[in-house]
Amino acid sequence: DAGITQSPRHKVTETGTPVTLRCHQTENHRYMYWYRQDPGHGLRLIHYSYGVKDTDKGEVSDGYSVSRSKTEDFLLTLESATSSQTSVYFCAITGAGGQDEQFFGPGTRLTVL
Amino acid sequence: QQPVQSPQAVILREGEDAVINCSSSKALYSVHWYRQKHGEAPIFLMILLKGGEQKGHDKISASFNEKKQQSSLYLTASQLSYSGTYFCGTEGYSAGNKLTFGGGTRVLVKP
Repeated sequence: DAGITQSPRHKVTETGTPVTLRCHQTENHRYMYWYRQDPGHGLRLIHYSYGVKDTDKGEVSDGYSVSRSKTEDFLLTLESATSSQTSVYFCAITGAGGQDEQFFGPGTRLTVL
Repeated sequence: QQPVQSPQAVILREGEDAVINCSSSKALYSVHWYRQKHGEAPIFLMILLKGGEQKGHDKISASFNEKKQQSSLYLTASQLSYSGTYFCGTEGYSAGNKLTFGGGTRVLVKP
């Protein structure tokens, strides 16, 4: 299994509070991704990174920001959480972009009350 | 745009075959297939690249029609372990190593 972990695994928070989710990898892979998964929508890309300090927006990036100061860590921040951001968040890594498989982390279940 | 998967759900008996389709409205460079069990992370099955190259499972087969922008995943002689939700992820030429996933196909294999 690829060395990819996410923390926390579960979180309950209130509307309007900031939340940061962490993705950590031990594979030294270049590409890292944040997805959210909601019933009926599959996996939707929030942000992704192609190197340290190099990030780009995905299809559902509004209300989210990311940072990658080290190869191994990719942080996702909800600046002011809303109930519509209740979801399961997956981090993924890959070494060679679209030409190689993505390895997914175990996921973080976030509930915004 | 999100690729369209069909069918949305399928129920099989052990040993039966099924086909899951993935159709995109844009030109594709690659198609990925993943399977997800309930409460778990998606697991890689296969990549199909433009030009016919494939990477993945020996026991899973798939096809990629570049001209029609379609891919199909073939579940042959299904086993109970094949149950789960299958997702295709597509990469376009200007996608910059980003995948767009379909809504998923739920597969249930019964004894």
